[in-house]
Amino acid sequence: TQLLEQSPQFLSIQEGENLTVYCNSSSVFSSLQWYRQEPGEGPVLLVTVVTGGEVKKLKRLTFQFGDARKDSSLHITAAQPGDTGLYLCAGRNTGFQKLVFGTGTRLLVSP
Amino acid sequence: GAVVSQHPSWVICKSGTSVKIECRSLDFQATTMFWYRQFPKQSLMLMATSNEGSKATYEQGVEKDKFLINHASLTLSTLTVTSAHPEDSSFYICSARRTGNTDTQYFGPGTRLTVL
Repeated sequence: TQLLEQSPQFLSIQEGENLTVYCNSSSVFSSLQWYRQEPGEGPVLLVTVVTGGEVKKLKRLTFQFGDARKDSSLHITAAQPGDTGLYLCAGRNTGFQKLVFGTGTRLLVSP
Repeated sequence: GAVVSQHPSWVICKSGTSVKIECRSLDFQATTMFWYRQFPKQSLMLMATSNEGSKATYEQGVEKDKFLINHASLTLSTLTVTSAHPEDSSFYICSARRTGNTDTQYFGPGTRLTVL
């Protein structure tokens, strides 16, 4: 069973602070995705990274895929209350159809 | 953009009854759809992979006779929770992969099932 461990599990910060969420595994993934999910809704895709060492930016969000394609990080600069939600990483292995989800990080940004 | 819908968005049923949840890809064809289950404050757990025109592949520990999956067309997959019990109460989410594209899955908005 492939496991994707996220840390921290829960993060409560003030508006304007920076934060980093980590997604780690002992398995190699051909691609890794990050999602954000709000209560009562399905997850929404934020980004897909496929190359080891790849860095992608989406406004205040920076995503990095580890060189060995076993881990990833999500950095948020100057967090806003609208960033509140459950952040999920998900990895896909070559040849497998299915997406393996991480354990999740719940972020709360207070005004 | 690709849109996936689920119906109903929420359902309350009595213990022992069966509930059917529909997952539709609205503007694309999906050979493969996936069904996930999510408990409060937890991540998504894959239940089964549904392939159009063939039997679903269930993950270990998921009872195929309890969670019946039918993927009869390229735009519709259904999950039927048979003889539901309170422990089946959960948030069920489907996703669909566009035919020919193996990288992107589009997720539905989820269905909250409460079994009394």
